[in-house]
Amino acid sequence: LAKTTQPISMDSYEGQEVNITCSHNNIATNDYITWYQQFPSQGPRFIIQGYKTKVTNEVASLFIPADRKSSTLSLPRVSLSDTAVYYCLVGDKDPSGTYKYIFGTGTRLKVLA
Amino acid sequence: GAVVSQHPSWVICKSGTSVKIECRSLDFQATTMFWYRQFPKQSLMLMATSNEGSKATYEQGVEKDKFLINHASLTLSTLTVTSAHPEDSSFYICSARDWTANNEKLFFGSGTQLSVL
Repeated sequence: LAKTTQPISMDSYEGQEVNITCSHNNIATNDYITWYQQFPSQGPRFIIQGYKTKVTNEVASLFIPADRKSSTLSLPRVSLSDTAVYYCLVGDKDPSGTYKYIFGTGTRLKVLA
Repeated sequence: GAVVSQHPSWVICKSGTSVKIECRSLDFQATTMFWYRQFPKQSLMLMATSNEGSKATYEQGVEKDKFLINHASLTLSTLTVTSAHPEDSSFYICSARDWTANNEKLFFGSGTQLSVL
């Protein structure tokens, strides 16, 4: 089972700021939160990663509250080319000790003109 | 970011043949790689975890004799779909784990679209 929950889809207009929230209630102490963007027929592309508080890079910001049970990806001033599926990803250690990454549904963002 | 190269990008094969997909980490060493498959409009589904020098760990429901994984070096993992059938047609994606400064990130290949006729 995925450790993350996100809205299935969102619509936005060009130039607006988009915030996508992900729930990860059972995140482990040493887990990082990573967000990816995926276009059709392509592999996921790394956007941003964080552990706590706020992280910003040239394309996005990531907000993580103190309890780390959720995170919010913020995309400033989206354009049509930001239409994609966005995934938040947290690691998971199964009973055998294998550390792996299970994807949730992702959020399908559609940017409208 | 780190680069993961996946080859081929697409392949069409006849039913009953085998297909090999390669996944290479170009600028880092990856002791662990993951293989996923994805159907249209769906999320990525983890198939197996590949560890360099040891046997892969398969997820429940994934046939290990059908999907052979080899991770013989720190930069290369291969997935071989044996005796492929039309129901194996899917988008296959590999990823490699990169450890940098005690922090790990997953980087993904561009995917392989497999069509079995």
